[in-house]
Amino acid sequence: EVHLVESGGGLVQPGGSLRLSCAASGFNFDRYAMSWVRQAPGKGLEWVLIISGDGATTDHADSAKGRFTISRDNFKNTVDLQMNSLRAEDTAVYYCAKSGYYDDRHFFSWLFDYWGQGTVVTVSS
Amino acid sequence: QSALTQPRSVSGSPGQSVSISCTGTSGDVGDYDYVSWYQQHPGKAPKLIIYDVRKRPSGVPDRFSASKSDNTASLTISRLQAEDEAEYFCCSYAGGYTFVFGTGTKVTVL
Repeated sequence: EVHLVESGGGLVQPGGSLRLSCAASGFNFDRYAMSWVRQAPGKGLEWVLIISGDGATTDHADSAKGRFTISRDNFKNTVDLQMNSLRAEDTAVYYCAKSGYYDDRHFFSWLFDYWGQGTVVTVSS
Repeated sequence: QSALTQPRSVSGSPGQSVSISCTGTSGDVGDYDYVSWYQQHPGKAPKLIIYDVRKRPSGVPDRFSASKSDNTASLTISRLQAEDEAEYFCCSYAGGYTFVFGTGTKVTVL
């Protein structure tokens, strides 16, 4: 059974930094990309960053550019989100999500099929 | 990377059908068949209910169906049930390793 468990959320002052972590189990971790998706209070989902299965490729939304970085450890089956220069508008629940799926014929699809329970980040003075 | 456009809310009585549109651009919905839909109940993580425009993951009732035409994807919930009351989000692959979500639609079962 797939499990994704986020940790590291909390209260941080504007301009501060925070590192989130997501521990994965139940699937071939290094075969799949992993994403961070966030949801501000009362708002919709926003895809933030992604890292490929081998860690060689990353991409991000404009909102994360220059401030957030994603990394992964395929030995520990973890994916991290380093957030710097945090702003009030970064306040959100942050979810990690398994990104991509291979069907029985090994055809690939882009989707987010498993999600963690989320970790809350609050940026406030 | 503008969010895909969804109606803010739709509603229907039990047993009825409701449809939710998801409008993007030629750079996302129009260009790729990697449109997925997610159901989110309050305080819970999103749940995948549709992928590859119209495919249902195992365990998702066939009351959920979806399609796409040009830059607009659509989700239909048939035979509406009380448990379908939730927020629904579309999502499209947008090239490279990027994605864009829809603005979200609140489904109310009257």
